[in-house]
Amino acid sequence: AQSVTQLDSQVPVFEEAPVELRCNYSSSVSVYLFWYVQYPNQGLQLLLKYLSGSTLVKGINGFEAEFNKSQTSFHLRKPSVHISDTAEYFCAVSRSTSGTYKYIFGTGTRLKVLA
Amino acid sequence: GAVVSQHPSWVICKSGTSVKIECRSLDFQATTMFWYRQFPKQSLMLMATSNEGSKATYEQGVEKDKFLINHASLTLSTLTVTSAHPEDSSFYICSARGGLAGSYEQYFGPGTRLTVT
Repeated sequence: AQSVTQLDSQVPVFEEAPVELRCNYSSSVSVYLFWYVQYPNQGLQLLLKYLSGSTLVKGINGFEAEFNKSQTSFHLRKPSVHISDTAEYFCAVSRSTSGTYKYIFGTGTRLKVLA
Repeated sequence: GAVVSQHPSWVICKSGTSVKIECRSLDFQATTMFWYRQFPKQSLMLMATSNEGSKATYEQGVEKDKFLINHASLTLSTLTVTSAHPEDSSFYICSARGGLAGSYEQYFGPGTRLTVT
């Protein structure tokens, strides 16, 4: 069964420091990968996505991610975080199930930016 | 573009009553809509998938008689929690797919917080 693993449940980091949020997936077929951010009591906001093409994907708010097929990873990075980046981050894989593409979400990583 | 709305954003109801949550795609036609449930500090759990004009497909363990889903048009899906109980209290999020999104991407609504007293 396909799964998405976010190894870090919480990541504390000081403001203006770099951060990497890890995401690994298991799949033997083509995958479509997404990172979402969720602020308290809100829905999901798309940060970036990988569907095909360049393995380095740039998203909103200065985030980027690199698709690594050999390591089945799609880690999210930001070179300098802000207090406002404090939120929950979800990695998701879109895969076909009985002809319908559905998401499989990771368990989430809580990023806490410290002043 | 690709905006999904939900109504209400939060609702409190008494145990035993039913609650309806609406999910609308505002600027595109949603051929497929998804309903998720999220418990505090947890990930999203897919409850069901609905295609316009057909019956919803429920994930294993989700009671279809408890969570009624109707996808009556290409822009509207509703989730009705019937005979709600405190354990149904949760954050419910819908998403929609269609238009320029292609098959792979979903657009998410802002969520509805349901509290059953």
